[in-house]
Amino acid sequence: GAVVSQHPSWVICKSGTSVKIECRSLDFQATTMFWYRQFPKQSLMLMATSNEGSKATYEQGVEKDKFLINHASLTLSTLTVTSAHPEDSSFYICSARPGTSGGFEQYFGPGTRLTVT
Amino acid sequence: QKEVEQNSGPLSVPEGAIASLNCTYSDRGSQSFFWYRQYSGKSPELIMSIYSNGDKEDGRFTAQLNKASQYVSLLIRDSQPSDSATYLCAVILTGFQKLVFGTGTRLLVSP
Repeated sequence: GAVVSQHPSWVICKSGTSVKIECRSLDFQATTMFWYRQFPKQSLMLMATSNEGSKATYEQGVEKDKFLINHASLTLSTLTVTSAHPEDSSFYICSARPGTSGGFEQYFGPGTRLTVT
Repeated sequence: QKEVEQNSGPLSVPEGAIASLNCTYSDRGSQSFFWYRQYSGKSPELIMSIYSNGDKEDGRFTAQLNKASQYVSLLIRDSQPSDSATYLCAVILTGFQKLVFGTGTRLLVSP
């Protein structure tokens, strides 16, 4: 149980284009989803927290107009990187927290590797 | 002081030994603690959660929590080369819903 999927697993795009990454909780409903970014040999960096049906809460320094997050259902959240630039190349990972587990466990998707050329 | 601190390692242990990974946290009111394992190039995988003082065992893994000392640890018994990874300690701080991660401890288990 507690499986989270992401699509695509990797993507290459040209500078200036937009890329959408999907995150799905497959066997549970996720009231809260999180988006992280990780550069090589660095720690996970939380970008934003999203609750179903609400606007996402972005961490300090993360541009909300550049990284659009939509959490339209209890099993799906999307991250759109708009007008991507080479410095946006990174490993993007989502995670989801079940709403009914009683605990605060958070399960991660497999990640999406984005390369902007 | 960082909110969650871990020794970056690497911690090297021989196969079959017990690996002991440690983590301290600064928020005395924290109630929820987690250990994740992350292989190179992969996303984190939840190993254990612990909410109460004492030990919690799951297979070869034991998490230990001491809230008075603000200390949480992970013991891996009978370490295997496949356990070689970075182990992330994570804490939910009082009043927040997000996880705060330590920088991780790299574990190397040699055959």
